[in-house]
Amino acid sequence: SQELEQSPQSLIVQEGKNLTINCTSSKTLYGLYWYKQKYGEGLIFLMMLQKGGEEKSHEKITAKLDEKKQQSSLHITASQPSHAGIYLCGAASTQGGSEKLVFGKGTKLTVNP
Amino acid sequence: DTAVSQTPKYLVTQMGNDKSIKCEQNLGHDTMYWYKQDSKKFLKIMFSYNNKELIINETVPNRFSPKSPDKAHLNLHINSLELGDSAVYFCASSHRVAEQPQHFGDGTRLSIL
Repeated sequence: SQELEQSPQSLIVQEGKNLTINCTSSKTLYGLYWYKQKYGEGLIFLMMLQKGGEEKSHEKITAKLDEKKQQSSLHITASQPSHAGIYLCGAASTQGGSEKLVFGKGTKLTVNP
Repeated sequence: DTAVSQTPKYLVTQMGNDKSIKCEQNLGHDTMYWYKQDSKKFLKIMFSYNNKELIINETVPNRFSPKSPDKAHLNLHINSLELGDSAVYFCASSHRVAEQPQHFGDGTRLSIL
């Protein structure tokens, strides 16, 4: 079965600093999803990547999928306290049909003002 | 308007009791899900329904019985609650079965005494 490993597990940065979170898969990724979760709330969908080498940006957050489609990174530029939360990557565990989403264990981000 | 709403937000009950969690989505999506997030924040799929039909049952004990009266609702009934059932349960939806969930409810925090 597919497994996703996220690193680091937790990250504390000063406001204004850049940071990167990584997500590595044990199998080829056919769809990689990034979510953000705040305490007491559900997941907020950030971005989906499907093609090798694909890169997407939303405000100050950029996500990339490597050419081999086994690793993705999430980069935040000039972090703000509002970026704090748990970031989860998710991947479809099969190529087609009734796919299920498998999640990494999350990266807890703290941004100190 | 809340896209995916689940009730209750908190549920505290004793071992052995039976309880239900309700979920409704007003997005017109075909597919709904139940996920369980444990104390270590690991998120795992439990069930997936497409147009009221069960398509994913991820080896969940049969004490858990999902019910989908229509495609906008997916409820979760749990019999004979055990300590290990303590977790946060998230409902989610996606437009079609081939997509992954982009909308999550805020979660139901279940605590078993």
